[in-house]
Amino acid sequence: KQEVTQIPAALSVPEGENLVLNCSFTDSAIYNLQWFRQDPGKGLTSLLLIQSSQREQTSGRLNASLDKSSGRSTLYIAASQPGDSATYLCASADAGNMLTFGGGTRLMVKP
Amino acid sequence: EAGVVQSPRYKIIEKKQPVAFWCNPISGHNTLYWYLQNLGQGPELLIRYENEEAVDDSQLPKDRFSAERLKGVDSTLKIQPAELGDSAVYLCASSFSDEGPLNNEQFFGPGTRLTVL
Repeated sequence: KQEVTQIPAALSVPEGENLVLNCSFTDSAIYNLQWFRQDPGKGLTSLLLIQSSQREQTSGRLNASLDKSSGRSTLYIAASQPGDSATYLCASADAGNMLTFGGGTRLMVKP
Repeated sequence: EAGVVQSPRYKIIEKKQPVAFWCNPISGHNTLYWYLQNLGQGPELLIRYENEEAVDDSQLPKDRFSAERLKGVDSTLKIQPAELGDSAVYLCASSFSDEGPLNNEQFFGPGTRLTVL
């Protein structure tokens, strides 16, 4: 059974810092890996999806990498802003597109 | 284009009462998912539909939970009777699944926050 872990569980940084969120998974036989953002009381917004054959994806200030062999993915946020404050969730997809989520990282960016 | 729609957004009920949640997926999406999210945790899959067929319901507590997706579009998730431990956010998601490489991004609704007193 796939297990997904996110470290750290919470992170507080000053505005402008570059930061890295970590995601690890136990079963490397994944089809893709997604990063989501969740604001308090809201649903999940998809940020980036990395196919199993890809190494990274970029969108604006966000860059996600995938290393299947080591069972790791990272989300890099450049020049963080207070509006980036949210919970970030990673999820791996299996052959049936079933997502297994990590517990999330609660990010707070202080002005 | 409208996203995944869920209603109600919030529901407060007393234990042992029934409750139902409704989901309307993105137009054209043939796959629909119901997830349960407890406070401070990631979502966990309850059931997945391919069109009208429930293809994965192994995590659905069938003694009190039921779901249906008539005509392969909207879906309803029901709990009867509700227990205190059912308090959580219930998320619906949809995707378009074809027979090609499985890169089917899931799109989530805002969720229904259930409080059982």
